[in-house]
Amino acid sequence: RKEVEQDPGPFNVPEGATVAFNCTYSNSASQSFFWYRQDCRKEPKLLMSVYSSGNEDGRFTAQLNRASQYISLLIRDSKLSDSATYLCVVPGGFKTIFGAGTRLFVKA
Amino acid sequence: NAGVTQTPKFQVLKTGQSMTLQCAQDMNHNSMYWYRQDPGMGLRLIYYSASEGTTDKGEVPNGYNVSRLNKREFSLRLESAAPSQTSVYFCASIPGQEVYGYTFGSGTRLTVV
Repeated sequence: RKEVEQDPGPFNVPEGATVAFNCTYSNSASQSFFWYRQDCRKEPKLLMSVYSSGNEDGRFTAQLNRASQYISLLIRDSKLSDSATYLCVVPGGFKTIFGAGTRLFVKA
Repeated sequence: NAGVTQTPKFQVLKTGQSMTLQCAQDMNHNSMYWYRQDPGMGLRLIYYSASEGTTDKGEVPNGYNVSRLNKREFSLRLESAAPSQTSVYFCASIPGQEVYGYTFGSGTRLTVV
């Protein structure tokens, strides 16, 4: 099992749709997680952090399921500007693991 | 604007040439990292510097060297470029605690022919 696994997608959704991505991780000792957003040919930028059961920021909700070792990112009311690649990250200093990302395309 | 600055943004090298990628941050962060990103793969750590004066190998250090010149600057050197080093390189920094996340530079797109 890879340390961090994400469905590469792409996910193609219409504007206004709700879309969810999952990320599974192998290290059961991991306590915190990040979701990063990466636009085409740009650097990753922090979207949300997840330290307990979950976190919500506007249209974005991140949830953590420790028993099944996965985190999810839910985007409600998708906007064209949400089109990007979403990276799941398990922090750990020099042992930080970045997922390969899930691509999202939101269409008008 | 505060952040991480990388130069150059683009570079084409011939096999065997050398070059240095520059990175500077003005956020007074302690730790700095160099990653490479290849299609279909997550970011992979090349080298890191936990604090000024220290550097350590990451997951894929072969063919690279680094220098933590001072707290602000962390450079990555390719001594003899190879086509396998064609990639996008990102420098990143964090303060002492990871809770605030990594701040990345805008990246260097390197092609080795």
